[in-house]
Amino acid sequence: QVQLQESGPGLMRPSETLPLTCTVSGGSISSYYWSWIRQPPGKGLEWIGYISYSGSTHYNPSLKSRVTMSVDTSKNQFSLKLTSVTNADTAVYYCARSPGAYSSFDVWGQGTMVTVSS
Amino acid sequence: QSVLTQPPSASGTPGQRVTISCSGSSSKIGSNPVNWYQQLPGTAPKLLIYSNNQRPSGVPDRFSGSKSGTSASLAISGLQSEDEAYFYCSAWDDSLSGWVFGGGTKLTVL
Repeated sequence: QVQLQESGPGLMRPSETLPLTCTVSGGSISSYYWSWIRQPPGKGLEWIGYISYSGSTHYNPSLKSRVTMSVDTSKNQFSLKLTSVTNADTAVYYCARSPGAYSSFDVWGQGTMVTVSS
Repeated sequence: QSVLTQPPSASGTPGQRVTISCSGSSSKIGSNPVNWYQQLPGTAPKLLIYSNNQRPSGVPDRFSGSKSGTSASLAISGLQSEDEAYFYCSAWDDSLSGWVFGGGTKLTVL
């Protein structure tokens, strides 16, 4: 059974670059699309973007200027970098799998809380 | 303000049938299939319904989905206490060129 695990710093300072990694276990990263989705405390879900197993990306236009995603098939991992973070980026960050670019998110990680504070 | 519109809350008693609505525009629900996610307290969202009305393996048939025009609905029959959760609808938005979610509906089992 495929499992996803997010990892990264729990606390960030404003203006820093947030690095997150999602490790895929129990299955291959190939042939799927991999997304990052976040949820601010007490609020709803926001899609950040996806990367395919081959490295093609598609980002939420509202975050596109600050987002970079990458994939490392040898490690079965994919990553997110979010630059110039502010308090508004405080959220639980989830990684999730989709069978296709326009398919549902069928597997989710447990999420990692990121707090941006000076 | 979310791109897809859901009621903030819904409730029912054990055994009842409850429906949760999700409305959007032609570029979203009108053009693309709707997915539903269930988020139990303190956990990650879980796929509940995909492609408007398909249930992933393991999801009880008490949960069903439907779509008509630019609106979709999630129905839960035989309500159980463990169904208390937030429910989110989602669809691909052709205009935004990205995934959008509803604001979420908190289901309370009275």
